[in-house]
Amino acid sequence: DVQLVESGGGVVLPGGSLRLSCAASGFTFADYGLNWVRQVPGKGLQWVAGINSNGAMTGYGDSVKGRFTVSRDNAKHSLYLQMDTLRAEDTALYYCARGGGYVGVAGNYFDFWGQGTLVTVSS
Amino acid sequence: QSALTQPASVSGSPGQSITISCIGTNMDVGSYDLVSWCQQHPGKAPKLIIYEVNKRPSGVSNRFSGSKSGNTASLTISGLQAEDEADYYCCSYIAGGTVVFGGGTKLTVL
Repeated sequence: DVQLVESGGGVVLPGGSLRLSCAASGFTFADYGLNWVRQVPGKGLQWVAGINSNGAMTGYGDSVKGRFTVSRDNAKHSLYLQMDTLRAEDTALYYCARGGGYVGVAGNYFDFWGQGTLVTVSS
Repeated sequence: QSALTQPASVSGSPGQSITISCIGTNMDVGSYDLVSWCQQHPGKAPKLIIYEVNKRPSGVSNRFSGSKSGNTASLTISGLQAEDEADYYCCSYIAGGTVVFGGGTKLTVL
């Protein structure tokens, strides 16, 4: 079965940094694009970043461009999100999601999701 | 990357059919047959139920169907069941290789 397990969330001060990880199993990791999607508790979904199957292409949402960096290690079956210059509005549950389809940086839909890791930016 | 427009809430009785709309622009929904829908129960991760406008992943009930006309995509749930009560999100590919979500619709089964 496909499994995506996020980790690395926590409480961080405004202006601080955090690195999220997503460990994948149950599928051929190097064949798929991967994404980060976040959700403020009680609110909607927002696409954050995506990376293609070999890591050569990345894309970012406007609100995180220049502050967040997505990367992957295909040998370790892992996806990462380096989050710098964090703001209060980055507080959310961050999901790792596998990309489906052949269009776009990391697919055009999300066919499997992890359970999320919570990031809280607060002083 | 403006969010797609969905109604905040819809409701229906068991056995009825409901439709949730997802309004975009000619930069997203209107230009690509790449709209998907996710279902999210409280405290759970989202689950894909429709992709590429009208395709169902394996294991998803055929009571869920999708369509598109112009800049508006729609999700129809027929034979409404109590377990369908959840939040529903549309998502579309947009020019530039990225995606955008709708604001979400809360479905209440009366």
